[in-house]
Amino acid sequence: DIQMTQSPSSLSASVGDRVTITCRASQGISNLLAWYQQRPGKVPKLLIYAASTLQSGVPSRFSGSRSGTDFTLTISSLQPEDVATYYCRTYVSARGTFGQGTKVEIK
Amino acid sequence: EVQLVQSGAEVKKPGESLKISCRGSGFTFTDHWIGWVRQVPGKGLEWMGVIYVGDSDTRYSPSFQGQVTISVDKSISTAYLQWSSLKASDTAMFYCARESYFDLWGQGTLVTVSS
Repeated sequence: DIQMTQSPSSLSASVGDRVTITCRASQGISNLLAWYQQRPGKVPKLLIYAASTLQSGVPSRFSGSRSGTDFTLTISSLQPEDVATYYCRTYVSARGTFGQGTKVEIK
Repeated sequence: EVQLVQSGAEVKKPGESLKISCRGSGFTFTDHWIGWVRQVPGKGLEWMGVIYVGDSDTRYSPSFQGQVTISVDKSISTAYLQWSSLKASDTAMFYCARESYFDLWGQGTLVTVSS
């Protein structure tokens, strides 16, 4: 099965900072990667799919990119409401593996 | 409204069986794969498996193969996740979600297994 290695496991940044989270796939997955946000006590929410396509209604400060088997989620200007845990997930061949998650806090 | 609505919280004893449900509405349920995700309290998301509603083709994560059964009744637009013999370690929140990229999630079903 495909493994997704996500880093860092947690980060603390100031409001307005640029935040980057990375995910590496153990093998090629094309662009079949999504990013999710889970606020404390809430249901996960899709942010980005196909590596870089922003889900409808998601603020434009969120963006995704791909370089080979490395994927990046960027928050261009961190806001207080972005405090959450973020997960990557591949969805190759109707199978899905999540990354370990990145907890984002405000400094 | 496009939504997935899950059955309510359950409290069970070890060894008991359980079947939780996920009903879709507002979209063509039979055109989609429906997946299940486990979240142990304080831990991350784990993909358990998926089922294609149209023909019941089912795929499981190796971690959950043989531990749970995923099924569907397309006549009532409902997917299921079931256990034949629960363990305390099955205590978790379980979510259903619509593939391909889990754009729609149920509200979650909390399963507590305790003697």
